[in-house]
Amino acid sequence: GESVGLHLPTLSVQEGDNSIINCAYSNSASDYFIWYKQESGKGPQFIIDIRSNMDKRQGQRVTVLLNKTVKHLSLQIAATQPGDSAVYFCAESGSNDYKLSFGAGTTVTVRA
Amino acid sequence: DTAVSQTPKYLVTQMGNDKSIKCEQNLGHDTMYWYKQDSKKFLKIMFSYNNKELIINETVPNRFSPKSPDKAHLNLHINSLELGDSAVYFCASSQVRNTEAFFGQGTRLTVV
Repeated sequence: GESVGLHLPTLSVQEGDNSIINCAYSNSASDYFIWYKQESGKGPQFIIDIRSNMDKRQGQRVTVLLNKTVKHLSLQIAATQPGDSAVYFCAESGSNDYKLSFGAGTTVTVRA
Repeated sequence: DTAVSQTPKYLVTQMGNDKSIKCEQNLGHDTMYWYKQDSKKFLKIMFSYNNKELIINETVPNRFSPKSPDKAHLNLHINSLELGDSAVYFCASSQVRNTEAFFGQGTRLTVV
């Protein structure tokens, strides 16, 4: 079956630096990818998404990169702030799926 | 104003009891989901409904029974609760499949 996972379970970042969170997936049929942020005691919140016909998408301080050749997804956060401390999840789905399949999550801690 | 709301937020109960978690979305979405998040933060799909019809039942024990009285509601009833059912349960909804899902704030279930 498919799996979505993150390379590192934790990431410690100095405030003001850029963060890069990586994710690998195995299902070649996946065509929709999404990043969520989950703060303590809350539900996952949408950050940014990308479809397989694109390889890069930018939002406010965030960029998602998709490399379909190696089945790799990354989230870049510019000028990381204390409020960015959270658990970050990548997720994917295929065109016929009625679900998102989530990776294990990366805990990002921002150092002041 | 809450897009996806679930009640209760916390639920502590004894083994063997039966409990329900309610979920409502006011986004006009056609698809609703239940996810389970374990102690390691891993998010796994349990059920997916589209227009009140069950689409996905991801090998969940039949002690768990979802019910969708209308497109805006998806409740989760759990019979004969076990210690291993302790987790955070998230309700979510999306406009269509294969797109962003909006999550509720979660229900932390503790079985003692």
